[in-house]
Amino acid sequence: QSALTQPASVSGSPGQSITISCIGTHNDIGGYDYVSWYQQSPGKPPRLLIYEVTYRPSGVSHRFSGSKSGNTASLTISEVQPEDEAVYVCASSASGSTSYVFGGGTSLTVL
Amino acid sequence: QVQLQESGPGLVKPSQTLSLTCSVSGGSVSSGPYYWSWIRQPAGKGLEWIGRIYTSGATNYNSSLKSRVTISFDTSKNQFSLEMTSVTAADTARYYCAREISSWDAFENWGQGTMVTVSS
Repeated sequence: QSALTQPASVSGSPGQSITISCIGTHNDIGGYDYVSWYQQSPGKPPRLLIYEVTYRPSGVSHRFSGSKSGNTASLTISEVQPEDEAVYVCASSASGSTSYVFGGGTSLTVL
Repeated sequence: QVQLQESGPGLVKPSQTLSLTCSVSGGSVSSGPYYWSWIRQPAGKGLEWIGRIYTSGATNYNSSLKSRVTISFDTSKNQFSLEMTSVTAADTARYYCAREISSWDAFENWGQGTMVTVSS
């Protein structure tokens, strides 16, 4: 399976909203509502932010939200804060939910 | 709260077999609505899903690695393991074990990861 496509980097000023896109195919994002998003800080394992496209696990800030249209998923971070600087990775079930594919990751810089 | 901890050799010679173990505490690997997965990340690169094992013992693998990978349980020790044969330098990466919630199809819990270098 091919990796999902994300922009390498995005940036924003504190208080702004930013959106990160994640492009897949009908075999992954387009075929299932099992898109998830992870936040990874240097030297740490990923942290789950969003599952099933739009749902947040307990403890995740409401400033993080997810959506999907066709083969493209998006993560929006509202009111960006300096502590949001990290790499954001999308993921999706694939191949009849017997496989899994990640995006390459997007580095967020808060200016 | 479930915790996962990877262990295994940090250095493996080319063509040999990489063997890692994930020890789980705070929950049982053999029950519950969970899958247990291995994921790796080469330095400075993205995540790659390696495969998963269901509580039934059934497995799914990344098609690009399937011929070289085996994931199994040791339920007596509440652990699951990864074996990868015929390793090359391309298998050098940080290896994570993770618990996936089946109904979410997402990885809620991760180990800290263990670095494996393939070199002679």
